[in-house]
This record gives sequence, structure tokens and C-alpha cells, in this order.
Amino acid sequence: EAGVTQFPSHSVIEKGQTVTLRCDPISGHDNLYWYRRVMGKEIKFLLHFVKESKQDESGMPNNRFLAERTGGTYSTLKVQPAELEDSGVYFCASSLLLAGDKYEQYFGPGTRLTVT
Amino acid sequence: AQSVTQLGSHVSVSEGALVLLRCNYSSSVPPYLFWYVQYPNQGLQLLLKYTSAATLVKGINGFEAEFKKSETSFHLTKPSAHMSDAAEYFCAVSDMDNTGKLIFGQGTTLQVKP
Repeated sequence: EAGVTQFPSHSVIEKGQTVTLRCDPISGHDNLYWYRRVMGKEIKFLLHFVKESKQDESGMPNNRFLAERTGGTYSTLKVQPAELEDSGVYFCASSLLLAGDKYEQYFGPGTRLTVT
Repeated sequence: AQSVTQLGSHVSVSEGALVLLRCNYSSSVPPYLFWYVQYPNQGLQLLLKYTSAATLVKGINGFEAEFKKSETSFHLTKPSAHMSDAAEYFCAVSDMDNTGKLIFGQGTTLQVKP
């Protein structure tokens, strides 16, 4: 069974540019989460999808970040325009929908974003 | 609000020695607690989880953790460190708003010396 995959693994962009990160969850996992780790800080929650619906986007830093999950499969996270403080590692995680299973999240390898 | 504190951003042990990584949490309700490990260039892997059953939880690779409510702790231990245990370890608590989202500690990098 394939795990959670993320693309790209690394991205270096200039301030003001746009970047789109992609996450493919494990097949059948309706829960999809995005997290971010800024260098030297803890991993922080960004948002949560159940299928194609956003359940909680309380962790999104500002309106420069837009997440979508069309069709309830893969998800994208777009940053537009990127700022220096957006640099960090963006993780995606997925889990099953059932009450106990949603707490067992499977993480992707992350996308390292560097904004220069 | 829930929070997690990991004591020590870096821990160094000799191969064969006891591994002890500390985690304290803050929660107004009984939490679910997790330890994840991240090896270089890989995603986070679940080591073990506490979900209000047995307080001593055994995980993969010989790790275990004990939930101590009185101390609000969930320390991770392994009796004998192996070189392959070198990685970064994260303690996390579930947000009890029922979304399943995780709140992480700052992470502890474990170095294992030969």
C-alpha cells in the first residue's frame, strides 16, 4: 500500500512568487491534514479536510494560503504571493474517518519550501 | 488550550544505554497522546499512542511510554539504544475538538554514540 506522497520534495522560490504544494493521501483516507514546521519551531496544524470539505482551517496563517481538495482525493496548498516567513517544511497527513482511527495519522515526507 | 513540552531539544546517549525522552502535556480533559519519529528525509512515523486504555504503551522498535496523569507526563523510553534510533522524536496530543488534529512538542533530536 502506497503511503502519503507529497510533491515537490523541495521548492525554492523568490518572494512574491506563487507555489503550489500537492499531497496525495493514502487511498480511502477521508481525513487529510496539512501541518507546517518553521525552522526551530514546533510542527503546527494548518487545516483539516474531511473528503472535499474543509472542517477546520483555524491554523492557516493568512489569506495568502489557499487549500483545496477537489473530489476528496489529493489536496493542494497554494501560497500566493509567498513571503520570507513562509519558509519551512509542509507536511501532509491522512487518516481514516472512523472515530478511533482518525487519531492514527500517516504523514508524508514533507515539502521543504524556501522563499528567498 | 492544549500544549506539549518536550524537555531537551537534543539528547545524546551511548549505544546500549537507556533512552529517555521527556514529554509533558497540558490538557483539561484526558488526552490522546502520541510519539512520532522522523528519520532523515522521511515523513513522521507513529511510534506509539495512548488512547485511554493501558497506561504503559508499547510501540515499535522496542520503545514504550507511560502515561502518568498525576505528572501530566508521557515520557518515551527504550532500554538499550541502537545506532538506528538516531532521529528526531515528536510528542503530540490530540485536540479534543474531535477533528483529530495534533498539537506537537518542539521535537527532540536523539544522537546515539558508538
